Formats: sequence, structure tokens, C-alpha cells
Amino acid sequence: EDKVVQSPLSLVVHEGDTVTLNCSYEVTNFRSLLWYKQEKKAPTFLFMLTSSGIEKKSGRLSSILDKKELFSILNITATQTGDSAIYLCAVEAATGANSKLTFGKGITLSVRP
Amino acid sequence: NAGVTQTPKFRVLKTGQSMTLLCAQDMNHEYMYWYRQDPGMGLRLIHYSVGEGTTAKGEVPDGYNVSRLKKQNFLLGLESAAPSQTSVYFCASSQFSGRTISYEQYFGPGTRLTVT
Repeated sequence: EDKVVQSPLSLVVHEGDTVTLNCSYEVTNFRSLLWYKQEKKAPTFLFMLTSSGIEKKSGRLSSILDKKELFSILNITATQTGDSAIYLCAVEAATGANSKLTFGKGITLSVRP
Repeated sequence: NAGVTQTPKFRVLKTGQSMTLLCAQDMNHEYMYWYRQDPGMGLRLIHYSVGEGTTAKGEVPDGYNVSRLKKQNFLLGLESAAPSQTSVYFCASSQFSGRTISYEQYFGPGTRLTVT
């Protein structure tokens, strides 16, 4: 059974802090790992990672994948109150053209002014 | 483009009633998915479809049925609703991935269903 574990489950920081969110996985037929941000409604896509050691960056957010140790981290620097959200990690398992995601339970981040 | 839309946004059912949730996407995506999201449980896959006319079971398929008669629509049915099906339901779609390429999933706004 595919498994995705995120940690911590929740954290509270102050504006300007740097946070690191963790995601570890056990998946058969791994193809990619994705990070999503969920505010009030639908999850919105942040990053897709397929190769180890290559950092993906978007503004203050960055993420990296370690396929040997089976984990990924999402870093947010200089946090702002708008970063408050649930951050979801998902791992894609694929056999041929058949592809599906397994999600972790999410990390609730609260950024205080 | 409207992206992924879901109908209805909210619904309250009594135990034993049936209903259908509609998901529509205008991005010509091959793959479509239905998830449910419960507090502390993350997103769990109910059923998915890799193309028109095909469906497959996900992690939590019991009590649900799906149909994909048209490429742009994916319907989720509850034949006899139970309180355990109270949840927020999300539909998602993605491009055809082939054997080596991955694409992200795009999510609809969700349907909040309460079964009393």
C-alpha cells in the first residue's frame, strides 16, 4: 500500500520566519512528487519534482527531492500571513499510462503577524 | 477557460437518499479523479478515469459509483447516502501522462456534502 507521511502536522510561526515542511513516502512505481497549497477551497499546484537533488524555486518557496532517502522538503523563507494554509504533499505512482496520486494528511501552517 | 467546475457546491441529504455530483472540465484532459477530504485525513482517492468510458477504483470506493460517458464530465453517485459520507468532495483533472511524462492535477472548488 502506498504511503505518504507529512510532518509536522501543524505549526505556528511569526512573519519573517523560515519554515521547512517534510514529506516522506513509500510508493511502488514512483514517478513524481507534488506539493500543493490549500487555502479555503481547492488545492493549488506549487511544484512537481521528479529528479533527486534538483531544487525547484518559486519566489520565497523552494523544494527538493531525495529519491534515495524517499523524502522531500518544502522551504518557505520570510514567511507572510498569506502563506497560512494547508500544504499537501502527493506522490504519483504510475504503471504505463495509468497514473494516480496518494496524498499525505497535510501540514497546517499558521503565520502570525 | 473555467477550468474544473463542480455542481452543486453544497448539499444536505438524509440517510438513504441518493444524489449525483457533477464534475466538468474544459481543458480537454484525459484523466479525471474524485477525492474526498475529511479533517485530519488528507485527500483520499475514491475513483478515477483515464479516459472516456473507463473508470477505476481508488483507495475508498465503497458506497460510490462513477461514470465517464463524455470526456469532459465525470459523475460521482451515491446510491444510498450514509452519515460516514459527510465530507468535502473534490474533483480533479490532468493531461494524459503517457509512460514517462507527469502533469499536475487541477482541482475543482469542492462540494460540501452533509448526510444526516
